[in-house]
Amino acid sequence: EDQVTQSPEALRLQEGESSSLNCSYTVSGLRGLFWYRQDPGKGPEFLFTLYSAGEEKEKERLKATLTKKESFLHITAPKPEDSATYLCAVQGISSGSARQLTFGSGTQLTVLP
Amino acid sequence: GAVVSQHPSWVICKSGTSVKIECRSLDFQATTMFWYRQFPKQSLMLMATSNEGSKATYEQGVEKDKFLINHASLTLSTLTVTSAHPEDSSFYICSARGAVSWAEQYFGPGTRLTVT
Repeated sequence: EDQVTQSPEALRLQEGESSSLNCSYTVSGLRGLFWYRQDPGKGPEFLFTLYSAGEEKEKERLKATLTKKESFLHITAPKPEDSATYLCAVQGISSGSARQLTFGSGTQLTVLP
Repeated sequence: GAVVSQHPSWVICKSGTSVKIECRSLDFQATTMFWYRQFPKQSLMLMATSNEGSKATYEQGVEKDKFLINHASLTLSTLTVTSAHPEDSSFYICSARGAVSWAEQYFGPGTRLTVT
């Protein structure tokens, strides 16, 4: 069974204070690891897909990296508008043709002005 | 691109009635759609997976007679909560995956259901 653990559960940063969110996973054959952003009362917004260890992707102040056991979402010089819950999900071989995602519980990020 | 809509965005119904939620992929054909449920401050819980023209596959513990899913076309899936009870109150979110971009799921904005 695929499992995803995210840490910390909550993170408060001052504007401009860079940090990283962690996503640890166990999966029998990784097809992809996904990062989403979710604002309160809204559906998740797709950010990145990572497929293999060593891969990195960037978008504005966000950078996602992947190893064989975990992924990090680095936030550089965050702004208050980056405040949201960040969700990590994996898609493993066991998901079959349906390719379901297994989600972590998320990290609630608050960036203070 | 990859926009998914849901309707309604929120609904209040009385206990014992049924509610239908629509999920549409607006700019791509969704070969597979997923329905999730999310409780406050918790992550997404997959309820069922549906492929166009096929019966939905429900996750363990999800009552298929209570949560009816229809994926009648490549752009529309519906979730009907039958004989709703207060414990069915939740945030329901759909997502869609296309044939071209097989990996990513794109999510709708969610539907807040309150059963009184």
